[in-house]
Amino acid sequence: SYVLTQPPSVSVAPGKTATVTCGGTRIGRKSVHWYQQKPGQAPVLVISYDTDRPSRIPERFSGSKSENTATLTISSVEAGDEADYYCQVWDTSSDHLVFGGGTKLTVL
Amino acid sequence: EVQLVESGGGLVQPGRSLRLSCTASGFTLGDYAMAWVRQAPGKGLEWVGCIRRTVYDETTEYAASVKGRFSISRDDSKDIVYLQMSSLKTEDTAVYYCARAPSGDWHFDYWGRGALVTVSS
Repeated sequence: SYVLTQPPSVSVAPGKTATVTCGGTRIGRKSVHWYQQKPGQAPVLVISYDTDRPSRIPERFSGSKSENTATLTISSVEAGDEADYYCQVWDTSSDHLVFGGGTKLTVL
Repeated sequence: EVQLVESGGGLVQPGRSLRLSCTASGFTLGDYAMAWVRQAPGKGLEWVGCIRRTVYDETTEYAASVKGRFSISRDDSKDIVYLQMSSLKTEDTAVYYCARAPSGDWHFDYWGRGALVTVSS
């Protein structure tokens, strides 16, 4: 089965840039979606189709992708960005949806 | 305003069954595929399964961990999506989220607040 690998945690100082990676075999050939989940709340879509940002999501959130890694970048990080972040793809070979293990972003 | 509200959660004994409902409002349910995602306490998100639109025969897909035990169905006339869970195990304990999937590649633009299912004797 397809596996997405995320670092368990990332720490960043306020005002700096945070990067959350998502590794997967030939992930460059799949569409990658990113979700933010704050404690006690449902996930929120922050990036779809690798780079598309929903209108309600701040421009500070952006996505990119290479052959084997997708990246969520949060610029000018704020305390309110502290949350768990998950990447997600649809694996067409198995018709299964896959989430990464999640990355806890801590704002120092 | 798009809203998804899960109901039917609670405490259930191992081996028993439970049905969750997801009531949709603020959009036409029949225009969207839908899915269930769960999250065990302190753990990450786990896809449970999904159901396509009626135009695609309401076909379903399931995670290996629930295939054969869980079943997803929909009643677009009532704006409800169901998750029928049987032969429940303690490891099925989780918050179960209903999520809306816009057309195209599978992903979720709106989520419900979730329903807690606790499987314990």
